[in-house]
Amino acid sequence: KQEVTQIPAALSVPEGENLVLNCSFTDSAIYNLQWFRQDPGKGLTSLLLIQSSQREQTSGRLNASLDKSSGRSTLYIAASQPGDSATYLCAVYSGGGSEKLVFGKGTKLTVNP
Amino acid sequence: GAVVSQHPSRVICKSGTSVKIECRSLDFQATTMFWYRQFPKQSLMLMATSNEGSKATYEQGVEKDKFLINHASLTLSTLTVTSAHPEDSSFYICSAQRRGSTGELFFGEGSRLTVL
Repeated sequence: KQEVTQIPAALSVPEGENLVLNCSFTDSAIYNLQWFRQDPGKGLTSLLLIQSSQREQTSGRLNASLDKSSGRSTLYIAASQPGDSATYLCAVYSGGGSEKLVFGKGTKLTVNP
Repeated sequence: GAVVSQHPSRVICKSGTSVKIECRSLDFQATTMFWYRQFPKQSLMLMATSNEGSKATYEQGVEKDKFLINHASLTLSTLTVTSAHPEDSSFYICSAQRRGSTGELFFGEGSRLTVL
């Protein structure tokens, strides 16, 4: 059974810092991995999608890496801003005819001005 | 980008009543839609998977008679919480997979259900 763990559960940084969020998964046979952002009381916004054949994806100040063999992914946020404050979730999709995503519990990020 | 609209965003109802939540893909056809619920400080939990024109597949522990899912068209899925109870109060989120896509999902904004 796939399990996704995110560390840390919460992170508070001053504005301008670069930071890394971690995600690990127990079954490396994944189809893809997604990083999402969730603002309080809101739905999810997809940030980056990494296919199993890819090593990383970049979008603006965000960079996500994937090491499938070790079951790890990181989300790197450069030059953090207060507007980046949110909960960041990673989710893995194992395919095999199932469209299920297994989510981690998220990392709550607070960027202080 | 693909847009998924969820309605209503907030709903308060009395115990014993039924509530319907709609999930629409506005600018694409969604062959599959998913319904999740999220309790405070918990991760999203998949409730059911619905494919257009067929019965939904429910996850273990989710009562299919209580959470009725209908996926009548390629752009609309509905979740009806029947005979709602306070323990059904939660945040419900839908997602949709675009036809022909590589597994990327697009999410609605979520619906906060409060059962009094």
